[in-house]
Amino acid sequence: KQEVTQIPAALSVPEGENLVLNCSFTDSAIYNLQWFRQDPGKGLTSLLLIQSSQREQTSGRLNASLDKSSGRSTLYIAASQPGDSATYLCAALSGYSTLTFGKGTMLLVSP
Amino acid sequence: DAGVIQSPRHEVTEMGQEVTLRCKPISGHNSLFWYRQTMMRGLELLIYFNNNVPIDDSGMPEDRFSAKMPNASFSTLKIQPSEPRDSAVYFCASSPQGQGYSPLHFGNGTRLTVT
Repeated sequence: KQEVTQIPAALSVPEGENLVLNCSFTDSAIYNLQWFRQDPGKGLTSLLLIQSSQREQTSGRLNASLDKSSGRSTLYIAASQPGDSATYLCAALSGYSTLTFGKGTMLLVSP
Repeated sequence: DAGVIQSPRHEVTEMGQEVTLRCKPISGHNSLFWYRQTMMRGLELLIYFNNNVPIDDSGMPEDRFSAKMPNASFSTLKIQPSEPRDSAVYFCASSPQGQGYSPLHFGNGTRLTVT
């Protein structure tokens, strides 16, 4: 059974810092790895989807990488802003079309 | 595009009562998902429909939970009878193609409190 872990559970940084969020998964036989953002009281918003054949995906200040062999993905946020404050979740798509979510990293970017 | 629409946003009910949560997926999306989110267990898939047909309901906790999708634009999740441990945020999501093969679009959720 796939297990997805995100460390740290919470992170606080000053505005302008570059930061990395970590995601690890136990079963490397994944089809893709996805990153989502969740604002308080809201649903999840898809940020990036990395296919198993890809190494990374970029969208604006966000860059997500995938290393299947080590069971890891990272989300890099450049020049963080207060508006980036949210919970970030990763999810791995494994066999039988099962999308398994981590519990998320709560990010606070202070002005 | 109005996005995935869920109602109600908040529901407070007493133990033993029936609860019905509603979802309108994005037009043209053929896959619909019901998730439950709690602090302890995170986000869990309850049931997944494809073209209005339930494909995987292995996440439905017990017989008290049931879900229907009578047409492509409407789905319900019903809990009868409700229990305090059902308190959680319930999300509906839709996608054009399967679970995870294309990005999921989530509604804003229904926060259920069972007293």
